Amino acid sequence: GDSVTQMEGPVTLSEEAFLTINCTYTATGYPSLFWYVQYPGEGLQLLLKATKADDKGSNKGFEATYRKETTSFHLEKGSVQVSDSAVYFCALSDYTGGSYIPTFGRGTSLIVHP
Amino acid sequence: GAGVSQSPRYKVAKRGQDVALRCDPISGHVSLFWYQQALGQGPEFLTYFQNEAQLDKSGLPSDRFFAERPEGSVSTLKIQRTQQEDSAVYLCASSAQAGRGTSYEQYFGPGTRLTVT
Repeated sequence: GDSVTQMEGPVTLSEEAFLTINCTYTATGYPSLFWYVQYPGEGLQLLLKATKADDKGSNKGFEATYRKETTSFHLEKGSVQVSDSAVYFCALSDYTGGSYIPTFGRGTSLIVHP
Repeated sequence: GAGVSQSPRYKVAKRGQDVALRCDPISGHVSLFWYQQALGQGPEFLTYFQNEAQLDKSGLPSDRFFAERPEGSVSTLKIQRTQQEDSAVYLCASSAQAGRGTSYEQYFGPGTRLTVT
């Protein structure tokens, strides 16, 4: 079945540092890929998405590129802020067995210190 | 407009009790999903509705779990004879789209934290 693997956290950075959160996936079809963010006490929010190979999703300074050859969708940001502290989930959506069953990774906690 | 809302936000149940968790999706959203999120884990799919039809319930962990969406809007997830392993956050998400498009965005509610003692 489909699966998503994320790097384990927590990731602890100082403000303005460069961020990479690795995500790799396995899928039977040709999935769409997503990053969701969950701030403390809130629901998951879509951060960015990509629907085909070599697409780059971007939002709020975050970027991720759909790499089909390496089955990866790594999240990056050039300069993190304290307000970016949250849990980040990589996810895929694949049409399997007649419906879409989204698959999420375990989440990576990011802690940014001033 | 209003987002996805869930109630109650917190629920404590004694083992063996039945619970009902409510989800109000964004008005007009066709698709509705329920997920279970254990501590430190990502959301795990439970079930999916398209309008009032439950198209997939393969993620429900046992026959103690039951979900309905009778009028194609509000949904209720019911857990009968709760067990300690049912303790988790239950998330609801809705989406405007249905069908073969894979790039739909899901809008999540804040979740209901269920603790079974």
